[in-house]
Amino acid sequence: DAKTTQPNSMESNEEEPVHLPCNHSTISGTDYIHWYRQLPSQGPEYVIHGLTSNVNNRMASLAIAEDRKSSTLILHRATLRDAAVYYCILRDSGNTPLVFGKGTRLSVIA
Amino acid sequence: NAGVTQTPKFRVLKTGQSMTLLCAQDMNHEYMYWYRQDPGMGLRLIHYSVGEGTTAKGEVPDGYNVSRLKKQNFLLGLESAAPSQTSVYFCASSHNRGTGELFFGEGSRLTVL
Repeated sequence: DAKTTQPNSMESNEEEPVHLPCNHSTISGTDYIHWYRQLPSQGPEYVIHGLTSNVNNRMASLAIAEDRKSSTLILHRATLRDAAVYYCILRDSGNTPLVFGKGTRLSVIA
Repeated sequence: NAGVTQTPKFRVLKTGQSMTLLCAQDMNHEYMYWYRQDPGMGLRLIHYSVGEGTTAKGEVPDGYNVSRLKKQNFLLGLESAAPSQTSVYFCASSHNRGTGELFFGEGSRLTVL
């Protein structure tokens, strides 16, 4: 499986935008980029996913580099509820199981 | 809509005891998964199922068995529990089409003494 690299931790001030980076230099042409997050003491939840174009939904935006070797999850206004571990995961088109890394632990400061 | 429900939420076992974790989903999903999460780590896939009557091994299958006799249920069994199996176990389910978004349960915390 193609691997992703994320910073171990990041910090943000409340109500400011947050950019969470993910490197995936060995991504294949059929790999989708998925983001999940895990709030404290909960199971992970889906955030967003994309293939080539940038994507927006009610939770976040996903910016994908033109060469697809990196991507950035953007939270437009961080709230205290956004404090979580964020996982960037590659998944091919075959609906294969998700393989989780250690993710980025985001702290939000009031 | 309950989503994905795991039972029990907490359990303490002695080494060598057996137990079964039950995962139930009411979303008519084809795929179901069992993960474990150790402190400070990401989730690791134990076993998964792509449909009723099917199972497949994940990254860390040793010491566990699974069964999917009904579409809505996915059971994870520990035949002879070991302290190394102390962990939080998460079940998830997904459709086999569309985004394939996984829906997770709240987790089951297992301690093996």
